[in-house]
Amino acid sequence: DGGITQSPKYLFRKEGQNVTLSCEQNLNHDAMYWYRQDPGQGLRLIYYSQIVNDFQKGDIAEGYSVSREKKESFPLTVTSAQKNPTAFYLCASSVPGQRNTEAFFGQGTRLTVV
Amino acid sequence: AQKITQTQPGMFVQEKEAVTLDCTYDTSDPSYGLFWYKQPSSGEMIFLIYQGSYDQQNATEGRYSLNFQKARKSANLVISASQLGDSAMYFCAMREVSPTDSWGKLQFGAGTQVVVTP
Repeated sequence: DGGITQSPKYLFRKEGQNVTLSCEQNLNHDAMYWYRQDPGQGLRLIYYSQIVNDFQKGDIAEGYSVSREKKESFPLTVTSAQKNPTAFYLCASSVPGQRNTEAFFGQGTRLTVV
Repeated sequence: AQKITQTQPGMFVQEKEAVTLDCTYDTSDPSYGLFWYKQPSSGEMIFLIYQGSYDQQNATEGRYSLNFQKARKSANLVISASQLGDSAMYFCAMREVSPTDSWGKLQFGAGTQVVVTP
């Protein structure tokens, strides 16, 4: 079945550590996105990528980094520079450049700083 | 500036009743798409319905329909015959495709929490 897989589902991080969230898709989509969701709030765009080896900052990119070495993979690193990383992180993919195509989402990773 | 506004943080609706969730948007581009997603407590995002800016008719998908008023820039979601399983967070989203954003980022509103009561 085609879809997006995020791992792990739950992640605990000590202060000062970097952690990497995995996102893999087999939908053959060119565009991939990372969103952050805080409790009771909407989704805010962190980074997005249209093609391999290219990505752009979203609205809240500070303290995060990404890579896009393969079409199917778009990992997100939460660095120690991110002051308040505890949140729910959602990865999505879509066909770029077409207004009528929805984004498909993974199951999310819940990150907690301990 | 906020592109998508959902003014209702939460709503209660009785089972079998209809509920309307408000969404207004801001864009100067003529070509855009509007989406509604459902997020149950498990966290997954479920696509519900789509409306294109050039579509002449309001979109419908089963119990979901979209009241699209282009001049008012509103795209309200109507859920008919509510069921207990409809309890979730609902998000309105917009994708613009324009010379300044040729590949179209998906932007979300803050969401509306719906609770369906027996």
